[in-house]
Amino acid sequence: DSGVTQTPKHLITATGQRVTLRCSPRSGDLSVYWYQQSLDQGLQFLIQYYNGEERAKGNILERFSAQQFPDLHSELNLSSLELGDSALYFCASSVDRLADTQYFGPGTRLTVL
Amino acid sequence: DQQVKQNSPSLSVQEGRISILNCDYTNSMFDYFLWYKKYPAEGPTFLISISSIKDKNEDGRFTVFLNKSAKHLSLHIVPSQPGDSAVYFCAAINNNNDMRFGAGTRLTVKP
Repeated sequence: DSGVTQTPKHLITATGQRVTLRCSPRSGDLSVYWYQQSLDQGLQFLIQYYNGEERAKGNILERFSAQQFPDLHSELNLSSLELGDSALYFCASSVDRLADTQYFGPGTRLTVL
Repeated sequence: DQQVKQNSPSLSVQEGRISILNCDYTNSMFDYFLWYKKYPAEGPTFLISISSIKDKNEDGRFTVFLNKSAKHLSLHIVPSQPGDSAVYFCAAINNNNDMRFGAGTRLTVKP
């Protein structure tokens, strides 16, 4: 158990819909990261938040957005969903910098039908 | 854009022998490299990292080697154990905090 929690574990939705994935970091960690793992793209870094502010951005689509709240939990919002958005979405947390050891949550499996 | 490549999708090794997982990168701005291990149905777990100012970092059975001139890094696991069977991802970070992962290599350690 990494101490990072993600909900829901599974999510099935239809194309064009909008979903929100939630992540709670380990106690004391200020940084939250979001990753997408799909069959054809492998593991991809999406975005990092540190203490409520966006710190780094990776391959995140404009249809996707994230935020980190004062209690440090984070949400990843995916809108106008397409079939290709079906993937595992992981959240990770670390104390600070991107290069710090990151602890990953169990992931949310999103299926877009 | 595949800035980080793991050209071997799979590797099979006998228990007790050495496992060598390779990773190549194209962007010379990467200055920090990490290896992650992933079991099915679980999130990736951090294994070991190396800064570009070093050429070797060792942690127990795991050693990462970095060859900057060749833009190549490798993860050595000695001795390999059946519990090491997993998918291994290498990742690279540049000074803009841009992080890229390889596609992963599935390691199978046979008893």
